[in-house]
Amino acid sequence: EVQLVESGGGLVQPGGSLRLSCAASGFTFSTYSMNWVRQAPGKGLEWLSDITSSSSSMYYADSVKGRFTISRDNAKNSLYLQMSSLRAEDTAVYYCARRSAVVTWFDYWGLGTLVTVSS
Amino acid sequence: QTVVTQEPSFSVSPGGTVTLTCGLSSGSVSTGYYPTWYQQTPGQAPRTLIYNTNTRSSGVPDRFSGSILGNKAALTITGAQADDESDYYCLLYMGSGAWVFGGGTKLTVL
Repeated sequence: EVQLVESGGGLVQPGGSLRLSCAASGFTFSTYSMNWVRQAPGKGLEWLSDITSSSSSMYYADSVKGRFTISRDNAKNSLYLQMSSLRAEDTAVYYCARRSAVVTWFDYWGLGTLVTVSS
Repeated sequence: QTVVTQEPSFSVSPGGTVTLTCGLSSGSVSTGYYPTWYQQTPGQAPRTLIYNTNTRSSGVPDRFSGSILGNKAALTITGAQADDESDYYCLLYMGSGAWVFGGGTKLTVL
């Protein structure tokens, strides 16, 4: 069974940093591209970042480019999101999602971790 | 920057048919955008309904269908049920490694 479990969320002050993790199991992690998606309270979904299976390419939404860094450790079956220069508008539930190997869509999602940026 | 547009809200009667759409602020949605539709209830992760324009995800009832209607992607629910009351999001692949979600449609069944 495919499982994605996010962790690392919490309360952080504006301007601060936080690192999110996503532990993957139930599939061959090293062969799939992975993504981060967020959802601010009461708002819609926002795609943030994609990383290919071998980390050869990373892509970012304009809203986080230069502040967030996606990475992965295939030996640990883990995906990461390093967030810096955090703003109040970064407050959201952050989901990791697996990109389907066949067609361009996100087929499995974690339950999310809440990040709150507030003083 | 291109915006993906969805109706903010929609209402359907139980047993009725509703079509939700997913468009672009500039241009037309085609199969090349690989439209995906997700259903989300409060506090839950999104659930895939349709991917690659019109392919139903495993376990999704056949009353959900996807298509291209005119210049938009469309999700049609035939025979709406009370538990279809949810938020629905479309996702488009914009190329060059970038995806964009629509703003979502809140569907009410009453």
